[in-house]
Amino acid sequence: QKEVEQNSGPLSVPEGAIASLNCTYSDRGSQSFFWYRQYSGKSPELIMSIYSNGDKEDGRFTAQLNKASQYVSLLIRDSQPSDSATYLCAVRPNFGNEKLTFGTGTRLTIIP
Amino acid sequence: SQTIHQWPATLVQPVGSPLSLECTVEGTSNPNLYWYRQAAGRGLQLLFYSVGIGQISSEVPQNLSASRPQDRQFILSSKKLLLSDSGFYLCAWSVGGTGFFYGYTFGSGTRLTVV
Repeated sequence: QKEVEQNSGPLSVPEGAIASLNCTYSDRGSQSFFWYRQYSGKSPELIMSIYSNGDKEDGRFTAQLNKASQYVSLLIRDSQPSDSATYLCAVRPNFGNEKLTFGTGTRLTIIP
Repeated sequence: SQTIHQWPATLVQPVGSPLSLECTVEGTSNPNLYWYRQAAGRGLQLLFYSVGIGQISSEVPQNLSASRPQDRQFILSSKKLLLSDSGFYLCAWSVGGTGFFYGYTFGSGTRLTVV
């Protein structure tokens, strides 16, 4: 069973600080990695994708991928109360397989 | 631009009643379509996956079924609901065929409560 694991939290971070969310995956052949944000009662929204080792930055968000260690992380700089949500890590197993495997999510709370 | 519509937003149904949830996608052709369920406090569970009209893959044996009567329409059904069918049902689409995979776009979801 291919797995994606996340710390369920809750993770509490002061406003303005950096929030760091981590995800590990079991399938070494995984190719594509995604972070979704889900507000309470709403559907998941794609916020970041990363396909190769290293960092990818988009505004206040940075995704980091280390395929050798099989982990992917999401950093949120200058955290805002509006960042309070559950963050889902999703992994695409291999090319040709479009069925994403999701982690159970980390609940993030930004404290004003 | 592409949009995905899902309805109804909320539904309360008695045990043993039928179910029909509909999802449509606009602005793209031949999308891959998915039905997921998210139980309270739990992760996303893939229920069905479709790469084309009439092509349905079932991921979890259960009393639910799915159909894809048109290219951009995906329907989730049940003949008799169980209490355990309660949850948040999400339809999603991704680029089909040999197009670059950008991940999923989810619909707004249907919150189903079976009573």
